[in-house]
Amino acid sequence: ETGVTQTPRHLVMGMTNKKSLKCEQHLGHNAMYWYKQSAKKPLELMFVYSLEERVENNSVPSRFSPECPNSSHLFLHLHTLQPEDSALYLCASSQTGSQPQHFGDGTRLSIL
Amino acid sequence: EDKVVQSPLSLVVHEGDTVTLNCSYEVTNFRSLLWYKQEKKAPTFLFMLTSSGIEKKSGRLSSILDKKELSSILNITATQTGDSAIYLCAGPNSGGSNYKLTFGKGTLLTVNP
Repeated sequence: ETGVTQTPRHLVMGMTNKKSLKCEQHLGHNAMYWYKQSAKKPLELMFVYSLEERVENNSVPSRFSPECPNSSHLFLHLHTLQPEDSALYLCASSQTGSQPQHFGDGTRLSIL
Repeated sequence: EDKVVQSPLSLVVHEGDTVTLNCSYEVTNFRSLLWYKQEKKAPTFLFMLTSSGIEKKSGRLSSILDKKELSSILNITATQTGDSAIYLCAGPNSGGSNYKLTFGKGTLLTVNP
């Protein structure tokens, strides 16, 4: 139990679907992150929110849309994804930017 | 652009062996270096190193930083099958953002009984 909970654990969707990934952290942290992990590639940072303000947006296509309604919850809204978007999407949180990040178990996303 | 290079990319050992994993970090403004262990799911935090030459230890795992060489090693003694995982090294972006971590590709460690 890492204190960071992601749902769903697995998601299969068609290219025209709209779905959302959810992340909740129970650690009292102020920063939350979305990462993409593809096979044989390093973890790629997508978005960072600190105190509900977006502080990093790493040239991510607009078909990925993050939302942070409060410091404990983070969403990633998905629409018209491409097959190359199939990957493990990891959420993380940290107390501050200079403190270690704690990761959730991820959502395994498959695009048909 | 910051770069984190880990070696070897994969390693197979037998239970009881000692292993050393390497991480080098090309950055203009070094602040810290982190190690994570990733089994089938969440990467779990192992160590954060900020000071050169000071070993951090947790059970059979230990890590040390060479700030001059911008490198670190992760040692695992008396390996067990439960140590099988991908070990990730990461460092904060030197461009100023505290939030952005650059990760290496990881070392896949397999410990056979």
